Amino acid sequence: DIQLTQSPSFLSASVGDRVTITCRASQGIRSYLAWYQQKPGKAPKLLIYAASTLQSGVPSRFSGSGSGTEFTLTISSLQPEDFATYYCQQLNSYPLTFGGGTKVEIK
Amino acid sequence: QVQLVQSGAEVKKPGASVKVSCKVSGYTLTELSMHWVRQAPGKGPEWMGGFDPEDGETIYAQKFQGRVTMTEDTSTDTAYMELSSLRSEDTAVYYCATGLASVVETTQRKHYWGQGTLVTVSS
Repeated sequence: DIQLTQSPSFLSASVGDRVTITCRASQGIRSYLAWYQQKPGKAPKLLIYAASTLQSGVPSRFSGSGSGTEFTLTISSLQPEDFATYYCQQLNSYPLTFGGGTKVEIK
Repeated sequence: QVQLVQSGAEVKKPGASVKVSCKVSGYTLTELSMHWVRQAPGKGPEWMGGFDPEDGETIYAQKFQGRVTMTEDTSTDTAYMELSSLRSEDTAVYYCATGLASVVETTQRKHYWGQGTLVTVSS
């Protein structure tokens, strides 16, 4: 199984900050990586797919990059509604796997 | 408007089975590849299995092999996930979701999640 390791697991930031989250895969997954945002009591929401493609309706302050084994999710200017937990997910091969999550909290 | 609407919360005793439903609207089930993901309290999502359109078969995560069955009723566009021999560690929110395993499906605007079904296993 492909393991996804996210860092950091917890992040404290202020509104307007630039935030970067990293996801490392245990083996190469080409660009088959998605990023999700999840708020308490809600289903995960797709932000980015194919490593860098913004899902329709997602604000342009979110961006993704990377390929192979290292990927990043960047929020260019953190907004109050962005405080949530973020997960990466690989779809290169079965079983599909998710990272452990990064919780973004208000400083 | 595409929606995946799941059945309500369940409370089960250890050893019992649970069957969660996921009703699709806005698409037919045959147009989608349905997957099931669970999330234990305070934990990240965990993929349980789903339909692989390349093989035309349902693939289950090794962890759940023999305990989970995923079926579809195309006449009602409803998908089902049944988990048997429940234990306390199966307490989680269970989600149906489409487009999880395919960039093409996501590009075709076929990426959706149900609202989740809480399954509590307790004696």
